[in-house]
Amino acid sequence: QSVLAQPPSTSGTPGQGVTISCSGSSSNVGRDNVYWYQQIPGAAPKLLISHNNQRPAGVADRFSGSKSGTLASLAISGLRSEDDADYYCAAWDNILSAYVFGTGTKVTVL
Amino acid sequence: EVQLVESGGGLVQPGGSLRLSCAASGFTVSRSWIHYVRQVPGKGLVWVSRTNGDGSTINYADSVKGRFTISKDNAKNTAYLQMNSLRVEDTAVYYCVREFGGGDDHWGQGILVTVSS
Repeated sequence: QSVLAQPPSTSGTPGQGVTISCSGSSSNVGRDNVYWYQQIPGAAPKLLISHNNQRPAGVADRFSGSKSGTLASLAISGLRSEDDADYYCAAWDNILSAYVFGTGTKVTVL
Repeated sequence: EVQLVESGGGLVQPGGSLRLSCAASGFTVSRSWIHYVRQVPGKGLVWVSRTNGDGSTINYADSVKGRFTISKDNAKNTAYLQMNSLRVEDTAVYYCVREFGGGDDHWGQGILVTVSS
């Protein structure tokens, strides 16, 4: 049921930066806001980015979101060990009339 | 403090029913969007359903349409997900979520539903 494509994994050393892509279509990413969630195993997801590029209160400014057409991206700068987690994008799909999630990306901090 | 406490999960046979409850505190369900999201252990997130504050807008994922019903009891400040005709593939951890993607985004702790004979 994942309509949004993400790379399965990426990694970096502490202090480095990584970028995660989220590829959708004109009915979801290209049309509506994109949200990014972080999930640490065993815990509920946490909202990192809302409305394409807005950080909720309490989210570190090391996390940033962007969108161009049907491609959205999450950038993490200055990697820290606590960033080792799974990351998901999400968007409303106006054809399905449903939210769709990305396939998820595992970020490993080496 | 905003909290969502889920209950009602467990083991059920294929074809059976369960009702998940999502008890809210620190906010009023009648003024909030409530969503359900599920996750097979070790797999990705899947959006299931949503309802707005007054219940006038309700949406479902195609995979549960006609089988699941989302509702609220404003007097109990609780949201529900009635799940009928359950299938093995409905096995997952179910999360209730307040204001998915919004500034007041909050998730419950998740509740496991296992559909198996």
